[in-house]
Amino acid sequence: DAGVIQSPRHEVTEMGQEVTLRCKPISGHDYLFWYRQTMMRGLELLIYFNNNVPIDDSGMPEDRFSAKMPNASFSTLKIQPSEPRDSAVYFCASSLRTSGANVLTFGAGSRLTVL
Amino acid sequence: ELKVEQNPLFLSMQEGKNYTIYCNYSTTSDRLYWYRQDPGKSLESLFVLLSNGAVKQEGRLMASLDTKARLSTLHITAAVHDLSATYFCAVAPVIALNFGKGTSLLVTP
Repeated sequence: DAGVIQSPRHEVTEMGQEVTLRCKPISGHDYLFWYRQTMMRGLELLIYFNNNVPIDDSGMPEDRFSAKMPNASFSTLKIQPSEPRDSAVYFCASSLRTSGANVLTFGAGSRLTVL
Repeated sequence: ELKVEQNPLFLSMQEGKNYTIYCNYSTTSDRLYWYRQDPGKSLESLFVLLSNGAVKQEGRLMASLDTKARLSTLHITAAVHDLSATYFCAVAPVIALNFGKGTSLLVTP
């Protein structure tokens, strides 16, 4: 398996523009997570899905952020409109929860810079 | 609010020395995860600790879990330069992992 695949790897945009980040989880995994990493706030959970259904989106900063998972092999995180404070590395991770353990496999991340 | 606290946050150590990183958490959890992140890279799973008293070892790294004290340790034995990275602990009271701030480790000659 190629692992969790994210695109784009780098995105530079201007304030007010729409940004869409994409994620392909590992085939067979039933959970998908979106995290954001910054120096100041560390790794923050934004939202996670189970079998394509959003379970907890309490970490989504505000209405400018939205996430979808239309099928088991694809998810998007959208920011509209983007702001400079959204600059961060966004990680997608997937997992197959076994009895007791839920080991997340992370993608390479999408580094977003909003000017 | 769940808190996961690591210390130290920054650690510079000489090759060949031993050291321990501590991870305290504020909620009941029988599962504790350790991850490694190299600069500019993704996170890689190191250990999963599933019960009180669990101990896992891989090379020069050994992790342990005390659920009663809500404490996990990551012990580094005879450090080498290749261990330079940021190490994160995480707990998952429900499903999603909640991460500490990370410990940035630099191993110097």
